Amino acid sequence: GAVVSQHPSRVICKSGTSVKIECRSLDFQATTMFWYRQFPKKSLMLMATSNEGSKATYEQGVEKDKFLINHASLTLSTLTVTSAHPEDSSFYICSAPTKAEAFFGQGTRLTVV
Amino acid sequence: QKEVEQDPGPLSVPEGAIVSLNCTYSNSAFQYFMWYRQYSRKGPELLMYTYSSGNKEDGRFTAQVDKSSKYISLFIRDSQPSDSATYLCAMSFFSGGYNKLIFGAGTRLAVHP
Repeated sequence: GAVVSQHPSRVICKSGTSVKIECRSLDFQATTMFWYRQFPKKSLMLMATSNEGSKATYEQGVEKDKFLINHASLTLSTLTVTSAHPEDSSFYICSAPTKAEAFFGQGTRLTVV
Repeated sequence: QKEVEQDPGPLSVPEGAIVSLNCTYSNSAFQYFMWYRQYSRKGPELLMYTYSSGNKEDGRFTAQVDKSSKYISLFIRDSQPSDSATYLCAMSFFSGGYNKLIFGAGTRLAVHP
C-alpha cells in the first residue's frame, strides 16, 4: 500500500515554544492530508484537512492560529503547534486519503513540559 | 448519539480463540467501511476495507457489513498474541471532494498465550 512518512516520531518541547510535524507521501501525490489528534485510549479526532495550494479547513473547536497547517507541495504537509502548552501534549497523526481509504503516518508523540 | 459506536473493551482472549469486534453507525451516507489496527504509540494500519454488505475474507480476518442494520464486524480466527492491539472501525463518506473518515473509539484486544 501507499506509504506516508511522518516525523518526528517523538518530541519533547518547552512550554511556549513551537513544534513542527512533517508528513510526506512517499510513493503517491497527496492533494489532501488529514491531521488527527488522539488522546490516550481514545479514538482519532479530526483536527483539520490540508489541501495542496490552498488554506486548510479546520474542524469546529480547533484553533487555527495555534495549529498552523501548510500543504506546500503534493508530497508534503506540515502541522506546527505554536506556543505549545502542556495541554497540547498528545499523539498527532497525519493521513492521506485515497478513493476508498486512508493511509496513516506513524504518528508523533508530543510532550510539552 | 455518536455517528459510530464501538465498544472500547478491553477484550482479553486466550490464544487460538475467535475474536469478534463490532461497530454500529447511524449515518446512511457512509460508503466505505474499514478496520484499522493500531499498536501502542504507532499510527493505525489498514487491515481491511469494503463498500458493500456481505463478508470479505483475508487470511485469518473476516470483515462483515450489514448495511440494513448499520452494523459491521471484524472476526479474527486463531488469534495470536501478536494480534494484541487496538482495533478501530472507520467509515467514510464523500465530502468536499474527498472521503472523510469517522472513527469508532477503538477496541483494545489482548490475546494471551
